[in-house]
Amino acid sequence: QVQLVQSAAEVKKPGASVKLSCKAAGYTLDTSYIHWVRQAPGQGLEWMGIINLSGGATNFAQKFQGRVTMTSDTSASTVYMELNSLKSEDTAFYYCALTRRHIMDRGVIVETLDPWGQGTLVTVSS
Amino acid sequence: DFVVTQSPLYLSVTPGEPASISCRSSQSLLHSNGYNYLDWYLQKPGQSPQILIFLGSNRASGVPDRFSGSGSGTDFTLKISRVEAEDVGIYYCLQTLHTLTFGPGTKVDIK
Repeated sequence: QVQLVQSAAEVKKPGASVKLSCKAAGYTLDTSYIHWVRQAPGQGLEWMGIINLSGGATNFAQKFQGRVTMTSDTSASTVYMELNSLKSEDTAFYYCALTRRHIMDRGVIVETLDPWGQGTLVTVSS
Repeated sequence: DFVVTQSPLYLSVTPGEPASISCRSSQSLLHSNGYNYLDWYLQKPGQSPQILIFLGSNRASGVPDRFSGSGSGTDFTLKISRVEAEDVGIYYCLQTLHTLTFGPGTKVDIK
């Protein structure tokens, strides 16, 4: 059973950076993808981006381009998400989620976000 | 940009009664392969989201059969045939055809 274990809560000042980790237990992170999704307190889910664990290619939501970096250390089965130039509006729970592959009729392959990590709360406050 | 809306945003249901949530996309989610790229997730109180339905109508492994998804193109529906106490939480639809976009969520609680 794959589990994603995320790093502990962080408190940062505006303008600082934060680097979060997401470690896969019971799974070797050398293929597949990891998504990052955030959720401001009491708000909905917001997709941030994805990293391809086979090669490290990334794709980010336009809102975060230039401010986010996603990397992986497959030997440690861990991925990292760094967000720079933090603002108070970045206060949120940050979730990582592994893609689970489904093979459908006619060989169509689709992926769902499953499972998710437990989330890391990042608080940005002066 | 894709815009995904849900209705209602809040639903209070009597246990054993059915419930239905609508999700609409600003653009068609029907791929040329015949599948609709619309998923449903449930976030129970204090928990991370979990997958319920993918490609519009396919139940994920372990999801009770009281949950069903339907729809095509721009209009989709999640139905719970008989709501149970454990179904409380926020239901999100997610379009995955282009840059992933979540709906705003529908909060479901028990009367």
